[in-house]
Amino acid sequence: EVVLTQSPGTLSLSPGEGATLSCRASQTVSSSYLAWYQQKPGQAPRLLIYGTSSRATGIPDRFSGSGSGTDFTLTISSLEPEDFAFYYCQQYGDSPLTFGGGTKVDIK
Amino acid sequence: QVQLQESGPGLVKPSQTLSLTCAVSGGSINSGDYFWSWIRQHPGKGLEWIGYIFYSGNTYHNPSLKSRVTISLDTSRNQFSLKLSSVTAADTAIYFCARVPRIGGSFDIWGQGTMVTVSS
Repeated sequence: EVVLTQSPGTLSLSPGEGATLSCRASQTVSSSYLAWYQQKPGQAPRLLIYGTSSRATGIPDRFSGSGSGTDFTLTISSLEPEDFAFYYCQQYGDSPLTFGGGTKVDIK
Repeated sequence: QVQLQESGPGLVKPSQTLSLTCAVSGGSINSGDYFWSWIRQHPGKGLEWIGYIFYSGNTYHNPSLKSRVTISLDTSRNQFSLKLSSVTAADTAIYFCARVPRIGGSFDIWGQGTMVTVSS
């Protein structure tokens, strides 16, 4: 299976700062089928990005995704208070579908 | 808009079968445009895909759960279900249902999740 490793484990930042989250795959992700989710405590994950770089419906343009092959990045250009949460990457190019272990973005 | 809602027992005894249902509103599960999926999250941990089902009845599941998983559709009630047999404490988790576009494979709409504890 494709193992996804996210880094860093925790990112401590202030509102207004930019965030860069990394997701590295153990093998090439087929067709760039890589998604990103945001999860807040007590809530279900919310789809942010699919197909590596396409924003899901209603997602602000401060969120962007990039990458290819085995290295992918989620960038938040300027953190809003509501962006402090957990973020997970997920690949859907190969079965079984797999998720990364997550990055926590917390307030510095 | 489409909404998903999980339901089922919050407590299951070891060796028994966990049974959950996901009711879909605002759209039909009898559509060739989507798969219908189950995902779980162990307390304080990451996410694990369990499996999904297409309107045709074809199912796909995570080999890590071997043959313990059954996913089925009930088109008359517009819902789908998960059965996980021979549960142990390791199956204690929050269980989510989610929709997956056929073209793609990301989970675009999620239920709120339901906590299931395996304990005697």
